[in-house]
Amino acid sequence: QVQLVESGGGVVQPGGSLRLSCAASGFSFSSYGMHWVRQAPGKGLEWVAFIRYDGYNKYYADSVKGRFTISRDNSKNTLYMQINSLRAEDTAVYYCAIGYFDWSMDVWGKGTTVTVSS
Amino acid sequence: QSALTQPASVSGSPGQSITISCTGTSSDLGGYNYVSWYQQHPGKAPKLMIYDVSNRPSGVSNRFSGSKSGNTASLTISGLQAEDEADYYCSSYTSSSTLVFGGGTKLTVL
Repeated sequence: QVQLVESGGGVVQPGGSLRLSCAASGFSFSSYGMHWVRQAPGKGLEWVAFIRYDGYNKYYADSVKGRFTISRDNSKNTLYMQINSLRAEDTAVYYCAIGYFDWSMDVWGKGTTVTVSS
Repeated sequence: QSALTQPASVSGSPGQSITISCTGTSSDLGGYNYVSWYQQHPGKAPKLMIYDVSNRPSGVSNRFSGSKSGNTASLTISGLQAEDEADYYCSSYTSSSTLVFGGGTKLTVL
């Protein structure tokens, strides 16, 4: 069955970096776009970024542009998010999701938690 | 990009119908038919309920339906059940080639 498993979260100091991963299985990963969405504690959902199936087109929320980089390795069925210059407001659960129809998030992983704290 | 506007909470009794609204602008919700709705139970990942304004993914109950008029989209849940109690979020594609979510609506089944 379709499965997305996020990893790479943890506790990081302000200004630090992390690389999140999303391992995909059960579907043709190289055929679909992929999203990252985050949710701060007790808050709503915030869309972060989207990458098209071939990795050539990438889109970012203004709040993360220049600090976050989305990428994918279709040979490894894995989605990535490089997060630099971390701030307290980046503390959240980060979800990856499949965009079967590009601009909807059709299947979600369980998320990985990023905590930015000194 | 400002968030879409949703009511903070709605409630209904079992068997009733409720509607959750989601208001945007002509630069997002009003300009495109890429409106989606998500259900999220506490501590769980969101689940897609409606995509492209009114389409239901396979496996989603036909008690859930979506529509749009102008800059406002709506999610209607008919025959309300206890398991429908959750947070609901709308999202829309924008003219900046980004996505924006609504602030979320807490549905309480009385």
